[in-house]
Amino acid sequence: AQSVTQLDSHVSVSEGTPVLLRCNYSSSYSPSLFWYVQHPNKGLQLLLKYTSAATLVKGINGFEAEFKKSETSFHLTKPSAHMSDAAEYFCVVSDQGGRRALTFGSGTRLQVQP
Amino acid sequence: DTEVTQTPKHLVMGMTNKKSLKCEQHMGHRAMYWYKQKAKKPPELMFVYSYEKLSINESVPSRFSPECPNSSLLNLHLHALQPEDSALYLCASSQDIRSGTRGETQYFGPGTRLLVL
Repeated sequence: AQSVTQLDSHVSVSEGTPVLLRCNYSSSYSPSLFWYVQHPNKGLQLLLKYTSAATLVKGINGFEAEFKKSETSFHLTKPSAHMSDAAEYFCVVSDQGGRRALTFGSGTRLQVQP
Repeated sequence: DTEVTQTPKHLVMGMTNKKSLKCEQHMGHRAMYWYKQKAKKPPELMFVYSYEKLSINESVPSRFSPECPNSSLLNLHLHALQPEDSALYLCASSQDIRSGTRGETQYFGPGTRLLVL
């Protein structure tokens, strides 16, 4: 069985300050991990994905995430928040076994203050 | 091009209506998915098609009927829906769930926002 826990339902930062969105996962297999972003009334856009090639993954729009197996974590970071980063962020695990279905975290809403 | 398109963007229907949602991709993907997303919740998987065949049905009520006419198109036929079916319906596609490709990425469309009155 696999699961994803996003540790914060809501994060608020000031524009220009760092962003940290936390994600812990549980998987019986070696997982693939993703971060998706969803702006209001929009579909999901892939930010980045981890598939074991490198533990530090760089994504679009300045986001990156680090896979830490010992901590079962895959936290998303960005050095400097922009107003356009305000959105809902989902951490997602895709198990290598079974149906390869996606398991979504509950989401973190990022608010960026001017 | 990593675009998945969905029509219509918005749909309002009564409980006795019949309507259809349409999804299209031209990335050569052979797996396509329907998800349902309620407000402030993550998407929930409904159906998976692989090579135009239904491979996963997550115990979805029969008032939702999927169809995959060809490898680029995915439809969701709606009939006798309930107000609690109001949600954002998302379509996604991925390369090939049978190839064993590690970390296969799903690409999502913008969704159809459905309101059932």
